[in-house]
Amino acid sequence: AQTVTQSQPEMSVQEAETVTLSCTYDTSESNYYLFWYKQPPSRQMILVIRQEAYKQQNATENRFSVNFQKAAKSFSLKISDSQLGDTAMYFCAFMGAGGTSYGKLTFGQGTILTVHP
Amino acid sequence: DARVTQTPRHKVTEMGQEVTMRCQPILGHNTVFWYRQTMMQGLELLAYFRNRAPLDDSGMPKDRFSAEMPDATLATLKIQPSEPRDSAVYFCASGDRGYGYTFGSGTRLTVV
Repeated sequence: AQTVTQSQPEMSVQEAETVTLSCTYDTSESNYYLFWYKQPPSRQMILVIRQEAYKQQNATENRFSVNFQKAAKSFSLKISDSQLGDTAMYFCAFMGAGGTSYGKLTFGQGTILTVHP
Repeated sequence: DARVTQTPRHKVTEMGQEVTMRCQPILGHNTVFWYRQTMMQGLELLAYFRNRAPLDDSGMPKDRFSAEMPDATLATLKIQPSEPRDSAVYFCASGDRGYGYTFGSGTRLTVV
């Protein structure tokens, strides 16, 4: 079974600074997808960024980028120019592209990020 | 933007009562999930469907929970009888594999 681990229960950052959230995962599959979701206090789950495991290039979405290290099974999220609206719980998620985990999202425990003015 | 619609948004019920939560997935999405979120357990997968067929409901307590997709526009999650330990936020999500999934706003269930 796949597992996703977020080792930082809480993080904080000053507005306009950069912060990196860590995520590691365990799988025996060679092809899969990785995601970061954001859950603000409104509780809505919002997809932030996705990465396909077979792509070498790290995904980027505006101020959000990832550092995907396939061999190390690491998938960190970097938020640049942090804004107050980035305050939320962030979840890393794994989805297999084959076998029994095909299409099934497995989430990490989450990291609470607080952006201070 | 297309959205996943969940009803009700909040539900308070007494122990032993039946609870039904509804989800309208985004039209054209072939995969639908039900997740439960609690402080202690985080996000747990309860069940998921592809093209309306149930694929995995191993995370669901079978004696009291049931999930169905009577048609492509409706997914339901029922709890009968409900218990205080079922208190949680229940999310529905829909999507297509690999592109990420869109979540509904969730149903906050409180069983007293």
